Amino acid sequence: DTEVTQTPKHLVMGMTNKKSLKCEQHMGHRAMYWYKQKAKKPPELMFVYSYEKLSINESVPSRFSPECPNSSLLNLHLHALQPEDSALYLCASSQEQRDWGYEQYFGPGTRLTVT
Amino acid sequence: GENVEQHPSTLSVQEGDSAVIKCTYSDSASNYFPWYKQELGKRPQLIIDIRSNVGEKKDQRIAVTLNKTAKHFSLHITETQPEDSAVYFCAASRAGTGNQFYFGTGTSLTVIP
Repeated sequence: DTEVTQTPKHLVMGMTNKKSLKCEQHMGHRAMYWYKQKAKKPPELMFVYSYEKLSINESVPSRFSPECPNSSLLNLHLHALQPEDSALYLCASSQEQRDWGYEQYFGPGTRLTVT
Repeated sequence: GENVEQHPSTLSVQEGDSAVIKCTYSDSASNYFPWYKQELGKRPQLIIDIRSNVGEKKDQRIAVTLNKTAKHFSLHITETQPEDSAVYFCAASRAGTGNQFYFGTGTSLTVIP
């Protein structure tokens, strides 16, 4: 199975709501990533988990809270978002980097709209 | 940190012609260079990648060349087809960064039938 899955596909939430995005992979990858992507822009890294531990936080506002319950699952908890947070949220996974980089496999994304 | 520049931002070609997209990087320690294709509303998907111990790699109509001295790498698509229309992103990565990718700004390729 070489696929990363994400749920939900679409999410509309108000600025006072709390919601969660979910990501799952069964490729045995020990590195997992959250990205934010605006239309026709490159993915913008938010968080990196390595062996279920948060290794990179790209100064993301605290209204985004990541969680890695186990090696196959990655969550992104959302609270008190702003309209400018509307975007496509992509999850990715890869082998843990050694001397070389490795392909990142992307999920289909969650299209988030904040009203 | 690493800075990746990508040109052109938009590219239109006639079906059957070749397309070339170029990227430059700033960190000489970068050693892995993937290219992703993203169709409208879809996920980015790897189409080809190259490591710094190789100068060129080819997969059917797609090739990537790497010039480490000049710190640039290029994507070459031959015999373009309408289904090649998409946004293409280059990226660079180096050891010791948790496989963090530094993406270029993207090229929107349109193949005109």
